[in-house]
Parts: sequence; C-alpha cells; structure tokens
Amino acid sequence: DARVTQTPRDKVTEMGQEVTMRCQPILGHNTVFWYRQTMMQGLELLAYFRNRAPLDDSGMPKDRFSAEMPDATLATLKIQPSEPRDSAVYFCASGLVPTPGGTEAFFGQGTRLTVV
Amino acid sequence: GQQLNQSPQSMFIQEGEDVSMNCTSSSIFNTWLWYKQEPGEGPVLLIALYKAGELTSNGRLTAQFGITRKDSFLNISASIPSDVGIYFCAGQRGGSNYKLTFGKGTLLTVNP
Repeated sequence: DARVTQTPRDKVTEMGQEVTMRCQPILGHNTVFWYRQTMMQGLELLAYFRNRAPLDDSGMPKDRFSAEMPDATLATLKIQPSEPRDSAVYFCASGLVPTPGGTEAFFGQGTRLTVV
Repeated sequence: GQQLNQSPQSMFIQEGEDVSMNCTSSSIFNTWLWYKQEPGEGPVLLIALYKAGELTSNGRLTAQFGITRKDSFLNISASIPSDVGIYFCAGQRGGSNYKLTFGKGTLLTVNP
C-alpha cells in the first residue's frame, strides 16, 4: 500500500527550539510538496521539489524555514528558531510528473506542530 | 497570487440528499483536483480532471471541469453519514508549473 509517510505525527516544542519534520514520498514519485494548514489560511504551499531540486519556495519564510531533499526517499522541513505563530499542521504530498494531464498529489497524514 | 473561491463554506444536509459545491478562479487552470479531508488525516484525492468540459465520476461523486477552465463542480448523490468531512478543490496551471492552489474548503455535515 503506497503512501506518503510523515514523522513525527505530533510535535510540541518551546519557542526558539529547532523543529525538523520528515517526509518519505511514495516510491517512484519525483515531485514533493510541503503545505501548511491553519484554520485562518487553509492549505498554503510552502515549497515544492521536482527531482530533488527546489522549484518554488516563495511561500516559505526564508529567515527561519528551510526545505531540503537529501535523497529521493527523504524530504525535510526545518524551522529554526520556531515561534508560536508556526503552530499548524504541516503536510507533505508527492506526485509524478510529467503525466499526460497534470499532477495528482497524494498527501501524508501530517505533522501537528505546537510551539509554546 | 492565484485565488480559488470555494463555496459554500459549509453545508448541513440530511442523509439521502444530494450535495453540490463549486470552485471558481480568476485564472485558468489546466488541472482540477477534488480532495476530502477527515479529522486528523491528510487530504485524500477523490477525482482528477484534465480537460475542459470533462465530467468524471467516482461512485456517488461526480465532478466537472468548467468550459472556461476557471471553475469546477463536485456533486455527491444520495449522501451518507460517512461523507462528512471537508472537501477541497485544487487547481494546477500545468506546463512546467506543478504548483497546486487550494480552495478554503467546504465543510459537509450529514445528519442521519
């Protein structure tokens, strides 16, 4: 059963601490998306990669957020230092491009981050 | 940036009723996707649409890609309690732009 795996599922941390979220995309997928979900803003795209190269990270606050793909089976999203306003659910999604139509992105279960 | 307007924001219906929701955009999209999200889970892909005018079904769900490529519709027939959740539309420009833009969601409540 192919699925996107995210760890940890839940993270509570103190303001100022570093947070690292991990994502294992579906095997064979070459595109990875990071989204943040909040009640106020809904699902916001933070960054996405194709073939491990960042294509767009304009949605990500560059001063504290960083996203990388060390290899094809791992994507990471790091926040340093974390702030209470970063509290949200962070989703990773993966897909395969190019396809005849577009990209069908499949989501992980998310990491619920609480910064106190 | 691109905005997707999804409506209605919420719906309260009786089991057995049909449901309709839609998404509109000021920009053209070449792909429309519909997702469902349940509490504590990530969005799950329901239907993908790739051509203007396309009508696609998945069980009791039917979605259409608008002719103008600026809108899409999702219908659920004969709703059941397990249809409860938040339904999201997402649009993709295509070409070399694989970015998915999401609507704010429609919260569906089904009363048994």
